[in-house]
Amino acid sequence: NAGVMQNPRHLVRRRGQEARLRCSPMKGHSHVYWYRQLPEEGLKFMVYLQKENIIDESGMPKERFSAEFPKEGPSILRIQQVVRGDSAAYFCASSPLLTSGRGLQFFGPGTRLTVL
Amino acid sequence: AQKITQTQPGMFVQEKEAVTLDCTYDTSDQSYGLFWYKQPSSGEMIFLIYQGSYDEQNATEGRYSLNFQKARKSANLVISASQLGDSAMYFCAMREPVYGSSNTGKLIFGQGTTLQVKP
Repeated sequence: NAGVMQNPRHLVRRRGQEARLRCSPMKGHSHVYWYRQLPEEGLKFMVYLQKENIIDESGMPKERFSAEFPKEGPSILRIQQVVRGDSAAYFCASSPLLTSGRGLQFFGPGTRLTVL
Repeated sequence: AQKITQTQPGMFVQEKEAVTLDCTYDTSDQSYGLFWYKQPSSGEMIFLIYQGSYDEQNATEGRYSLNFQKARKSANLVISASQLGDSAMYFCAMREPVYGSSNTGKLIFGQGTTLQVKP
C-alpha cells in the first residue's frame, strides 16, 4: 500500500508564474489536508478537503491560492502569480475516516517551492 | 484558540543518554489528540507517538514515551538511549476534535525543537 505521494518534490518558479502542487492520498483515504512550512517554522494548516468538497479553508491566503480534490485524480494546490514569500515546503496529509480512532494523518514527502 | 508551545529551540544530548523535549498546549476542548513528529534533514514528517486526551496511561512506542500531564497541559516527549540518527527537528502537534463544520481534525503544530545527538 503506497504512502502519500506528492509531486513534484522540488519546484522552482519565477515571480509571477503559477505553481501546481499535486497530492495523491493513501489508498482508501478520502480526507486531505494541506500544510505549509516556512523556513525555520512549524507547519501551518492551510486547507482541508474531501472528495469534490472544500471543508475548511480557514488557513488559506485570501488571494492567489486555491485547492481542489476532484472525484478522480490527485488533490491540487494551486498558487497563482507566485511571490518570493511563497517559498516554503508544502505538505499534504491524508486520513481515513475522520472520526475513527486517533485520526492519524499520514504525511507525504512535501514539495519544496522556491520562487526566484 | 488552540495553541502548542515548544520552548526549546535547540537541544543537545550525548549518545545513549535520555532526553526530554517539552511541549505545552492550550485548549478548551475536552477531547483532543496529541502527536509528536520527527523531521530529519531530508524533510519528511515521521509520526512517532500519539496520546489521546482520555488515555489514562502514558503512551510508549519503543524508545519514545510521552509524559502526559493533563492538569498541567503538557505532553513532553522522552527519547531514551539516544542515537545519532535521532538528530532532527521534533514537532509537537494537537489535533482538533471533530464535530460540526468548524472543527475538522486539523493539526496545530508547535515551532519545533532541533535535537542534536553528540557521539
